[in-house]
Amino acid sequence: GQNIDQPTEMTATEGAIVQINCTYQTSGFNGLFWYQQHAGEAPTFLSYNVLDGLEEKGRFSSFLSRSKGYSYLLLKELQMKDSASYLCAVRDSNYQLIWGAGTKLIIKP
Amino acid sequence: GAVVSQHPSRVICKSGTSVKIECRSLDFQATTMFWYRQFPKQSLMLMATSNEGSKATYEQGVEKDKFLINHASLTLSTLTVTSAHPEDSSFYICSASPGDVNTEAFFGQGTRLTVV
Repeated sequence: GQNIDQPTEMTATEGAIVQINCTYQTSGFNGLFWYQQHAGEAPTFLSYNVLDGLEEKGRFSSFLSRSKGYSYLLLKELQMKDSASYLCAVRDSNYQLIWGAGTKLIIKP
Repeated sequence: GAVVSQHPSRVICKSGTSVKIECRSLDFQATTMFWYRQFPKQSLMLMATSNEGSKATYEQGVEKDKFLINHASLTLSTLTVTSAHPEDSSFYICSASPGDVNTEAFFGQGTRLTVV
């Protein structure tokens, strides 16, 4: 079966760095996405990785290792507004998005 | 960036009535749109794939006669929850991509449905 695993919840301190991991087992691979979702709102796109390596975009970076079926989202200089759920999703061989359950990130002052 | 608009954002309806939710791609054509359902503290669950000009493809366990999907144009898909029950209360979200398989999916704002 297809499976996306990510931690259920993480806590970090304002101004610090946090890494959210995602491991996947899917039928084929056509890219991995990270989305941010605030409570009661739709997800918003953060990053896309299709090749191995690190993609940096401002305070957010995303890493992919296809051989390991592994990705992480790195958030730097954490702000209170970063408190949200972070969803990892993989596009499989049928170009369907397979979603992880999301990681709830709690930022403390 | 691409924009997907979903309407209404919130709706309260009585049991037994039907509710229609619209999903529009505002600045691109979408031959395929996706409808998701999300329960509190859970991830997105794909309900169906909406294909322009043809029948939608429903995921296992989703009743196609209850959740009617119409994708009449390249920019509009509708989801109608028929004979709504309180257990249909949920957050419904649509998404679409501009067509390039390497682009991300853009989401509508979501619709919070409450059936009383």
